Amino acid sequence: DGGITQSPKYLFRKEGQNVTLSCEQNLNHDAMYWYRQDPGQGLRLIYYSQIVNDFQKGDIAEGYSVSREKKESFPLTVTSAQKNPTAFYLCASSTARIDPGEQYFGPGTRLTVT
Amino acid sequence: QKEVEQNSGPLSVPEGAIASLNCTYSDRGSQSFFWYRQYSGKSPELIMFIYSNGDKEDGRFTAQLNKASQYVSLLIRDSQPSDSATYLCADRPGGGNKLTFGTGTQLKVEL
Repeated sequence: DGGITQSPKYLFRKEGQNVTLSCEQNLNHDAMYWYRQDPGQGLRLIYYSQIVNDFQKGDIAEGYSVSREKKESFPLTVTSAQKNPTAFYLCASSTARIDPGEQYFGPGTRLTVT
Repeated sequence: QKEVEQNSGPLSVPEGAIASLNCTYSDRGSQSFFWYRQYSGKSPELIMFIYSNGDKEDGRFTAQLNKASQYVSLLIRDSQPSDSATYLCADRPGGGNKLTFGTGTQLKVEL
C-alpha cells in the first residue's frame, strides 16, 4: 500500500518544549512539503524539499526546522521559538514526473500546545 | 505577496443541482491550477487540475480557466450530500515548485 503516514495523529505539549512531527512516504516521490492549517484558513507552506539533503523555507518557516536525510522521511520540529504552534500540520509529497502541484497529503497531525 | 482568493461560503445547494465554486489569482505567471477537496477534520485530496484556458471535464466535475480574467472555477454537476466539504483552490505561481492556496469555500449539499 503506497501512501504518506504522519504520526502521531494528536500531540499535546507544554509551552517551551520542542516537538518533532513524523512524515514518511513510500511513493518514491522526490519532493516533500510541510503545511500548517489554522481553523477556517487555507494551507500555509512551512518548508519544502525537492531532493535529499536539501530544503527551502516556505512562507512561515520561523520557529520550525526540518531535515531530509532520506528520500522517504521529512520530519518537522516545532521549536519553542514558534509563537503560536497549536495547529493542524499536514505533510505532502509530489513527483517531478508530474506537476509539482499534484500533491498527495498525509492524514495530518493536530498539535496542541498549552 | 501572490494571492488566491475564494469566497469562504458556506455555499448551499440542493441535492442534484450544479454547484459553482469560484477562485481568482493574482500572479499572471501562474501556469497550473488545482482544486483540492477537504472533508472536515481530514487532509486535502486533489480532485482536478487545469493548465489551459477553457474547460476540463472529469466525471461530474468541470474545471474552467480564464487566464485573461485570472479566474478559475469548479462546477459540480448532480451534487450529492457526499460532496459537502471545503474546496481549496491553488495555483503554482511563477512556474515554481510551491503552491499558493486559497482559504477554501465550504460547500453544503442539502437533501
